[in-house]
Amino acid sequence: KQEVTQIPAALSVPEGENLVLNCSFTDSAIYNLQWFRQDPGKGLTSLLLIQSSQREQTSGRLNASLDKSSGRSTLYIAASQPGDSATYLCAVPYNQGGKLIFGQGTELSVKP
Amino acid sequence: DTGVSQDPRHKITKRGQNVTFRCDPISEHNRLYWYRQTLGQGPEFLTYFQNEAQLEKSRLLSDRFSAERPKGSFSTLEIQRTEQGDSAMYLCASSSTDRVDEKLFFGSGTQLSVL
Repeated sequence: KQEVTQIPAALSVPEGENLVLNCSFTDSAIYNLQWFRQDPGKGLTSLLLIQSSQREQTSGRLNASLDKSSGRSTLYIAASQPGDSATYLCAVPYNQGGKLIFGQGTELSVKP
Repeated sequence: DTGVSQDPRHKITKRGQNVTFRCDPISEHNRLYWYRQTLGQGPEFLTYFQNEAQLEKSRLLSDRFSAERPKGSFSTLEIQRTEQGDSAMYLCASSSTDRVDEKLFFGSGTQLSVL
């Protein structure tokens, strides 16, 4: 049974710092891995999706990496800003379809 | 706006009442998903449709819950005889099987509070 874990549950950093969020999964036979952002009381916004054949994806200040063999993914945020404050969730598909298994999320706070 | 829309955004109800939520997916998407999210947790899968067919239901979806997607477009999620434990954010997402990555796009959710 696939399980997805995110550590830490919460992270507070000063503005401008580079940071890494971690995601681990127990079954390495995944099709892709997706990172989402969720603002309080809101829905999820997709940030990056990494296919199983890829090792990383970049979008602006965000870089996501994937190491299937070790069951880990990281989301790197460069030069963090207060507007980056949100909960970040990673998710993997249960099978080839779109049904996703989510981690618990990391709540990020970037202090000005 | 061509994103996923959900209605209502917030619903407060008394225990024992029935509630219904609506989701309008992105128009060209053939798959529609319902998830439930409680505070401090990631979303949990409830059910999904491909066109009008309901293909899978989680065991989290008790017999008080029913979902429909009658014409393969919008979907409704009904909860009968609500309980306090039903209080959560109900999220809808849609995707297209035409996409290789089948990326999910989420709506803003319906926050349910059962008093």
